[in-house]
Amino acid sequence: EDKVVQSPLSLVVHEGDTVTLNCSYEVTNFRSLLWYKQEKKAPTFLFMLTSSGIEKKSGRLSSILDKKELFSILNITATQTGDSAVYLCAALNYNQGGKLIFGQGTELSVKP
Amino acid sequence: NAGVTQTPKFRVLKTGQSMTLLCAQDMNHEYMYWYRQDPGMGLRLIHYSVGEGTTAKGEVPDGYNVSRLKKQNFLLGLESAAPSQTSVYFCASQHAGGFGYTFGSGTRLTVV
Repeated sequence: EDKVVQSPLSLVVHEGDTVTLNCSYEVTNFRSLLWYKQEKKAPTFLFMLTSSGIEKKSGRLSSILDKKELFSILNITATQTGDSAVYLCAALNYNQGGKLIFGQGTELSVKP
Repeated sequence: NAGVTQTPKFRVLKTGQSMTLLCAQDMNHEYMYWYRQDPGMGLRLIHYSVGEGTTAKGEVPDGYNVSRLKKQNFLLGLESAAPSQTSVYFCASQHAGGFGYTFGSGTRLTVV
């Protein structure tokens, strides 16, 4: 059975801290790993990772995929209160209608 | 530029009542999905469709039915609502072979 596991499930930090969110996966016909940010509404897309070892970066956020060890990390540096959200990772199973299998999410709270 | 539209946005049902959630997309996407999101559980796939007239079960299909009579619409039905179906429901769509979902804004359903 396809599975995606995130850790930690929740995290409280102060502004300026750096955080690392973890995502491990066991998915048949794996193609890509995606990260989303969710703030009390629909998830918004952050990154899609297909190749191992290549870091993707957007401002203070970065992510990398390890296809050998089947995990990904999402880093956020110099956190701000606006980073408070649930971060979801999802693995794409391309052989079944391109469906995404989501992890439980990591709830990040950034205190002033 | 509507993208993916879900109706209704909120609904309260009594146990045993039926209802249909509508998802409409105007991007000519082949694939469509229904997910439910419960606290601490990420998004779980209910049903999905890879084309007009075809549907398939996801991870948590029991108690739900779907239909895709037109390419742009994907309907989720609850024949006899139960309190366990209280959740936030998200619809999503993507092109066949595409790697990115477009999400609707969600429907918050409460069954009392």
